[in-house]
Amino acid sequence: GQNIDQPTEMTATEGAIVQINCTYQTSGFNGLFWYQQHAGEAPTFLSYNVLDGLEEKGRFSSFLSRSKGYSYLLLKELQMKDSASYLCAVTTDSWGKLQFGAGTQVVVTP
Amino acid sequence: DVKVTQSSRYLVKRTGEKVFLECVQDMDHENMFWYRQDPGLGLRLIYFSYDVKMKEKGDIPEGYSVSREKKERFSLILESASTNQTSMYLCASSLGTGPEKLFFGSGTQLSVL
Repeated sequence: GQNIDQPTEMTATEGAIVQINCTYQTSGFNGLFWYQQHAGEAPTFLSYNVLDGLEEKGRFSSFLSRSKGYSYLLLKELQMKDSASYLCAVTTDSWGKLQFGAGTQVVVTP
Repeated sequence: DVKVTQSSRYLVKRTGEKVFLECVQDMDHENMFWYRQDPGLGLRLIYFSYDVKMKEKGDIPEGYSVSREKKERFSLILESASTNQTSMYLCASSLGTGPEKLFFGSGTQLSVL
C-alpha cells in the first residue's frame, strides 16, 4: 500500500528555521508536493519536486531524494503567519492524483 | 487566479438523507477531485474525473457517487448520509496536462446527525 509519514506537530520561534521531514513508500513515483493549509482554509500549493535535489523559493525550500523516499520542507526566517499545517503529497500516476500525509502542524511562537 | 467554489461552507444533514455537494471551477481545468479531510488522517481521495462524464474511484469511494455533466462542475453525492460521513469535504481541480498542482476550494464542513 501507500504510506506517507510526517511529524504531527513542530514548534519553533519567530525568526528561526524549521525543517519538516516527509518519508514515503509508494508503488511508483511521479512527483512530490508540499501544501500549506491555514486553519479553516483551503490548502495552497508551495512546491513540487520530481528530480533529486533542492528547490528554493524565497524563504521556503524543498528537497527530494527519490532513492531514500525522503523529502523535507525548510522554512527560514519564520514569521507568525507561517503557523499552519504543512501537507506532504505524492503522485504516482499521470493524472495527478495525490496521496497525502496526515500533515504537520507548525506552531510559531514569539 | 483559479477559483474553485464550493456551494456551502457548512451543512447539517440527518442520517439517511441524500446530500449533494457542488463544486465549480472557472479555469477550464480538465481534472477535478473530491477529497475528505479528517483529523489525523489527512486528505483522502474519494473520486476524481479527468473529463466530462468520466469518473474514477479514489481510495474511499464507498457510500459516495459523483456527477460531471459539464466541464466546470463536479458534484459529490451521498446517497444515504451516515454519521461516519461527517467530515470536511474539499474539491480540487488541475489543468490536466500531467502531474501538477491542485487548486482547492474552501471546503464544506458536513455534519450528519
